[in-house]
Amino acid sequence: QVQLQESGPGLVKPSQTLSLTCTVSGGSISSGNYYWNWIRQPAGKGLEWIGRIYTSGSTSYNPSLKSRVTISVDTSKNQFSLRLSSVTAADTAVYYCARDVAAAGHMDVWGQGTTVTVSS
Amino acid sequence: DIQMTQSPSSLSASVGDRVTITCRASQSISSFLSWCQQKPGKAPKLLIYAASSLQSGVPSRFSGSGSGTDFTLTISSLQPEDFATYYCQQSYSTPRTFGQGTKVEIK
Repeated sequence: QVQLQESGPGLVKPSQTLSLTCTVSGGSISSGNYYWNWIRQPAGKGLEWIGRIYTSGSTSYNPSLKSRVTISVDTSKNQFSLRLSSVTAADTAVYYCARDVAAAGHMDVWGQGTTVTVSS
Repeated sequence: DIQMTQSPSSLSASVGDRVTITCRASQSISSFLSWCQQKPGKAPKLLIYAASSLQSGVPSRFSGSGSGTDFTLTISSLQPEDFATYYCQQSYSTPRTFGQGTKVEIK
């Protein structure tokens, strides 16, 4: 079965760029009709959708973050990535990657999450 | 953006109780509504999709209903492992949005 695993630095300095990668195992990122998403959750708060990518490279971003977000895919490595620029303490959160079924949009597979702290 | 509002924000219940959580969308989302469960320190887990379809492997005590703007998640007989936070999420349009969560605690 498909599994997702986030990786990347746990500490990022203010004004720098946060970079995370999600590795897909147990299946090809290119097979099936799926979108690949990033979601985040500040400590003690709810879930915020950051954006998603299709394996064609087509992307959709949350307007609240759009000016700072880039999501890309590397099908040869079975990975997709998140870059969030000009980070502040407000970007401190657990970041999750998740797969959603393109026809219906529900997120059926989630990574375990990775904590990113923005601090000098 | 479509706003998702859950109620209540928290509830206390006993093992064996029937629990109902509601989710209201700010506009019609047809049946593009899913429910997930999150336990402390863990990733969310999909329970219900398309408003009423049970995800594979999820116990049948979980059920969902509704369409349009009003939706319900029901746990027919609460079990110890069900104490968690529950979120609804709309997949009708982007940006995807979630409810604020409902924390189910032990009474």
